[in-house]
Amino acid sequence: EPEVTQTPSHQVTQMGQEVILRCVPISNHLYFYWYRQILGQKVEFLVSFYNNEISEKSEIFDDQFSVERPDGSNFTLKIRSTKLEDSAMYFCASTANYGYTFGSGTRLTVV
Amino acid sequence: AQTVTQSQPEMSVQEAETVTLSCTYDTSESNYYLFWYKQPPSRQMILVIRQEAYKQQNATENRFSVNFQKAAKSFSLKISDSQLGDTAMYFCAFRGSGYALNFGKGTSLLVTP
Repeated sequence: EPEVTQTPSHQVTQMGQEVILRCVPISNHLYFYWYRQILGQKVEFLVSFYNNEISEKSEIFDDQFSVERPDGSNFTLKIRSTKLEDSAMYFCASTANYGYTFGSGTRLTVV
Repeated sequence: AQTVTQSQPEMSVQEAETVTLSCTYDTSESNYYLFWYKQPPSRQMILVIRQEAYKQQNATENRFSVNFQKAAKSFSLKISDSQLGDTAMYFCAFRGSGYALNFGKGTSLLVTP
């Protein structure tokens, strides 16, 4: 079964530092997403990406966030200057139609 | 904006019994998709079942089935013959014409021996 792969599984960073979360979507999928889940809360949409551009973003996805597809396989989420409240599980997902496949997530801890 | 409501924060069921998790949603759209995701302690998001709103027939996946009531905007998940491995958080999610999945707050299900 094809998988969405996320690295690292856990990252600890100091407040104010930049982090890059990496994802390898399923190869024939065309739509890519980032979601966030703060501990104990619901999963929240951050951004969707199609045809090398952002197709939709939430109000959470402000100027400190950016996404990129630097090559044909990777899809990254960059947080420029991390804050304590950015501590969360970040999920990457991809879909070809309406069947979303999620990665295992990256647990980001900002200290 | 669409909202998804899961009114049961926690539920418990005995092994081999049946449990139903409720979900309601609010939308003005006529065509949309509904999902149930399972999140075990590992926190991975696993698709349990999916329903297209234009289909009247309720979706079924082995022990998992839904009761989709479009007029009532209700989308409940029934788990039959519950197993210990079903212990997890269960999230109901909605997707309309946009790209985003909109999740409910989740129901924590505990299956006891």
